[in-house]
Amino acid sequence: DIQMTQSPSSVSASVGDRVTITCRASQGIGYYLVWFQQKPGKAPKSLIYAASSLQSGVPSKFSGSGSGTDFTLTISSLQPEDFATYYCQQYQSYPLTFGGGTKVEIK
Amino acid sequence: QVQLQESGPGLVKPSGTLSLTCDVSGYSISIINWWGWVRQPPGKGLEWIAEISHSGDTKYNPSLKSRVTVSMDMSRNQFSLTVNSVTAADTAVYYCARRGNCGGGNCYLNYFEHWGQGLLVTVSS
Repeated sequence: DIQMTQSPSSVSASVGDRVTITCRASQGIGYYLVWFQQKPGKAPKSLIYAASSLQSGVPSKFSGSGSGTDFTLTISSLQPEDFATYYCQQYQSYPLTFGGGTKVEIK
Repeated sequence: QVQLQESGPGLVKPSGTLSLTCDVSGYSISIINWWGWVRQPPGKGLEWIAEISHSGDTKYNPSLKSRVTVSMDMSRNQFSLTVNSVTAADTAVYYCARRGNCGGGNCYLNYFEHWGQGLLVTVSS
């Protein structure tokens, strides 16, 4: 199985801050990585797919980069609606696996 | 616009069987796609369980494979999940979801783009 390791597990930030979340795969997955945002009581929502492609309707303050084993999600200017938990997931091979999540909290 | 909706009992007894259905609207499950199940224990992360293709091929998480079955009913445009011999560790919110298609020589769209709202299933006597 491909293990997905996210860091940090939580981050405290202020409105307007730039936030970067890292996801590392235990083996190369090319560009087959998706980032999700999840708010309490809601289903995950895709933000970035294929490592760096912005999902339709998602604001451009979200961006993704990386390939192979190392990936990042960046939120350029944190807004109140961005406080949530973020997950990465690889879809290069079975079993599909998720990172442990990064909770973005208000400082 | 494709919509997915989970249904099933919210409470299952230990050692019993968990059975959930995902009703799909706005899209035919017979079109090329994978239809999957993901779960999330309270306060924890996401775990992929299994999925089924439009043609009936199935893929399972090895950690659950011995207890899980996925199936589909094209006449009702729905797919289902069964988990046998449940324990408290199976208590979770269960989501159904649709993956996008492969095309153009790659599968970059083959991620979970559409999700149901989720259904909490509690295993307890």
